[in-house]
Amino acid sequence: GQQLNQSPQSMFIQEGEDVSMNCTSSSIFNTWLWYKQEPGEGPVLLIALYKAGELTSNGRLTAQFGITRKDSFLNISASIPSDVGIYFCAGQLTDGGSQGNLIFGKGTKLSVKP
Amino acid sequence: NAGVMQNPRHLVRRRGQEARLRCSPMKGHSHVYWYRQLPEEGLKFMVYLQKENIIDESGMPKERFSAEFPKEGPSILRIQQVVRGDSAAYFCASSPPSRPNVLTFGAGSRLTVL
Repeated sequence: GQQLNQSPQSMFIQEGEDVSMNCTSSSIFNTWLWYKQEPGEGPVLLIALYKAGELTSNGRLTAQFGITRKDSFLNISASIPSDVGIYFCAGQLTDGGSQGNLIFGKGTKLSVKP
Repeated sequence: NAGVMQNPRHLVRRRGQEARLRCSPMKGHSHVYWYRQLPEEGLKFMVYLQKENIIDESGMPKERFSAEFPKEGPSILRIQQVVRGDSAAYFCASSPPSRPNVLTFGAGSRLTVL
């Protein structure tokens, strides 16, 4: 099936550092979403992107929808301990599936050392 | 404004039993989706429903799994004759008509098959 390649798989950083993670695919997406999941909970939406080239911020988080529509990145600035969790990218293919049929990456596990 | 409500949060079944997972979407959301998450993996789409209609069940296993979203009451994901491989977290999500790709997830139901 279709795959999103999300990297890195995990990150161990010091509090205050900036973080960058990305997702790539060989397929074209019409929507990119970034979610954060904490243990025992469901994913929580962070940022939604709808247009190629779109750059959107949500507090310390910034995400971009790649120009080629095959990739996206998420940056977190000045990390804090509560940023700990697993970050997932998700997208909807332009030519596959119904609305809400999202393809998820395998996640980036973020650990922040105080 | 309650979010997506799922119950039970945890369910233990023996092989061969049935599992029923329930989901009430957010108020104002008419689209319901079910996803499955295996340990250390991203979420995988199972099914998309609207009231009394299955719109896309391309991610549902061919046997033992069924889903419904009746006119009244919650959406139900039903797994008959469970096997150990069905052990996973099952997440329900809903979305509003205006942003059908922007999914809000519930906290999940964790199924353990003994």
